Amino acid sequence: SAVISQKPSRDICQRGTSLTIQCQVDSQVTMMFWYRQQPGQSLTLIATANQGSEATYESGFVIDKFPISRPNLTFSTLTVSNMSPEDSSIYLCSVEGSEAKTLYGYTFGSGTRLTVV
Amino acid sequence: QKEVEQNSGPLSVPEGAIASLNCTYSDRGSQSFFWYRQYSGKSPELIMFIYSNGDKEDGRFTAQLNKASQYVSLLIRDSQPSDSATYLCAVPYSGGGADGLTFGKGTHLIIQP
Repeated sequence: SAVISQKPSRDICQRGTSLTIQCQVDSQVTMMFWYRQQPGQSLTLIATANQGSEATYESGFVIDKFPISRPNLTFSTLTVSNMSPEDSSIYLCSVEGSEAKTLYGYTFGSGTRLTVV
Repeated sequence: QKEVEQNSGPLSVPEGAIASLNCTYSDRGSQSFFWYRQYSGKSPELIMFIYSNGDKEDGRFTAQLNKASQYVSLLIRDSQPSDSATYLCAVPYSGGGADGLTFGKGTHLIIQP
């Protein structure tokens, strides 16, 4: 399955600022996914990032708050904008496990632990 | 909106016993199902996937799927302390296509030495 490098691994940020999280995959993938895991909670899908088109956002998430770039088939960024303490979470990048799509599962990056103070 | 339900636990199982984790889902159109293991402070790790009714075995892990009853379970045989983790059940958003996953809240499993 794909190997994902995600950075930064953690950061402490001031409220009102923005943080960009990078996700690099060692192979070309069609779709990349961004999730949020709030403290003590499960994972929630933020958006799906497609190369060459706008990201698709899930209910409750908007582009102004979480702009996403997908410049090529191996890289994506998620920006958390105008941060507040409620944005303190782990943010995870994910890709399909293989070109055989869903049947072979999804792989996750190591995550970015964000604390907003 | 698809829903995936799990008992949050904690589920405490003695070492060497069988741990049984359950998950129910709301969308009858769901076609594939995933079990992830997440250690504290780590990202989720895929341990099993299943898409056909019945059982699927992989080492000490067995996934069981019953589409008529809309539940999927994970059995861990000969439980080890290293199995202590949160187990997340997930289904694809679209039911079968290359979309993101909807996760349950996870079951916290504790294997007692």
